[in-house]
Amino acid sequence: DADVTQTPRNRITKTGKRIMLECSQTKGHDRMYWYRQDPGLGLRLIYYSFDVKDINKGEISDGYSVSRQAQAKFSLSLESAIPNQTALYFCATSAGGGTDTQYFGPGTRLTVL
Amino acid sequence: GDSVTQMEGPVTLSEEAFLTINCTYTATGYPSLFWYVQYPGEGLQLLLKATKADDKGSNKGFEATYRKETTSFHLEKGSVQVSDSAVYFCALSPSSGTYKYIFGTGTRLKVLA
Repeated sequence: DADVTQTPRNRITKTGKRIMLECSQTKGHDRMYWYRQDPGLGLRLIYYSFDVKDINKGEISDGYSVSRQAQAKFSLSLESAIPNQTALYFCATSAGGGTDTQYFGPGTRLTVL
Repeated sequence: GDSVTQMEGPVTLSEEAFLTINCTYTATGYPSLFWYVQYPGEGLQLLLKATKADDKGSNKGFEATYRKETTSFHLEKGSVQVSDSAVYFCALSPSSGTYKYIFGTGTRLKVLA
């Protein structure tokens, strides 16, 4: 089984709808991250969490919110989806430390019409 | 601020050709440097890393050397295979030991049989 799973893998929704993307990990890591990938822009950090009680905004958090339900679960919500939130979303985890390796989920492709 | 610049793609090579993907960075101190690879339909996975100047990271025939004097971490492989076709991301983790990864925009490699 994959160490980091994301659901759904693909989602098409309409402008104004609320969407939740879910991430689960079995690596036992404290740190979890949500990224967005757009063509030509690489990965940009939306939110990150160092433990269940520690949640922080990344560089592009506007329009998004997160919930860390447990060490293993980190959800990303779009309260009112808009077309420019169409992108590939990745969850990642890491153990921590300066040479931290990040472990990524398979991604969720979200299309907002 | 910290940044990573990598060559634009796509890069198209014939099988068994030599590969170089350039990556340069801007950062204070001594960041850790990484190459991640993204195969079609999958999340990113760590390919190799280097944590201090002159370190060489290597994996699956790929190599990259941490060059402090030129602030570079170029990815090389002596003989590429069709199965190497993917998107390659250069990234850094600042020396301050914070969470934050800075990713390059990615370089798409296509290897033709």
